[in-house]
Amino acid sequence: GAVVSQHPSRVICKSGTSVKIECRSLDFQATTMFWYRQFPKQSLMLMATSNEGSKATYEQGVEKDKFLINHASLTLSTLTVTSAHPEDSSFYICSARGLGTEAFFGQGTRLTVV
Amino acid sequence: GQQVMQIPQYQHVQEGEDFTTYCNSSTTLSNIQWYKQRPGGHPVFLIQLVKSGEVKKQKRLTFQFGEAKKNSSLHITATQTTDVGTYFCAGSRSGGSNYKLTFGKGTLLTVNP
Repeated sequence: GAVVSQHPSRVICKSGTSVKIECRSLDFQATTMFWYRQFPKQSLMLMATSNEGSKATYEQGVEKDKFLINHASLTLSTLTVTSAHPEDSSFYICSARGLGTEAFFGQGTRLTVV
Repeated sequence: GQQVMQIPQYQHVQEGEDFTTYCNSSTTLSNIQWYKQRPGGHPVFLIQLVKSGEVKKQKRLTFQFGEAKKNSSLHITATQTTDVGTYFCAGSRSGGSNYKLTFGKGTLLTVNP
């Protein structure tokens, strides 16, 4: 299957700082990228959907000013958690879709805010 | 909004026993996908079902899509310890923007050797 690379895999940051997570499709062009959040032993909750060159569409209850998403190219999307707080600690996963409907997931980023 | 319900939440089996997880959608789906997430890992695509009543097999795994395209199941025959993980179904609705997937809560399978 296609490869999606997510970086970093783990990050620890201080409360109040911002963290950027990158999601790259390595061998295909991702027309759409999705950002999910997963709490321990729970399902994936969609945060937002982004298309290259346009503004992301956020799910209800997700603060767009706190979770900034940029999809500048067909192979790269970034999620920036601004002014992070301990409650933002979670596992964030991106997925990318090309021409088909199958989604390819990145390895995920475990964010810990201290 | 669209809801995808998945049961059971947990299933513990003895190695060699069969396992089934069920998925039900509140709305008709255009397709349903199944993913496996190993502990500490990320979801990995297993299969996609598109047609009403479709049945697909991957070795010991059998996937079914209901006639009404609102439910699906994953059945594993003679489980092995390598089958351990959380199995998620994810549905996509016809006409939905960007083929957005709605995930079920997943079924955590543990296998006792």
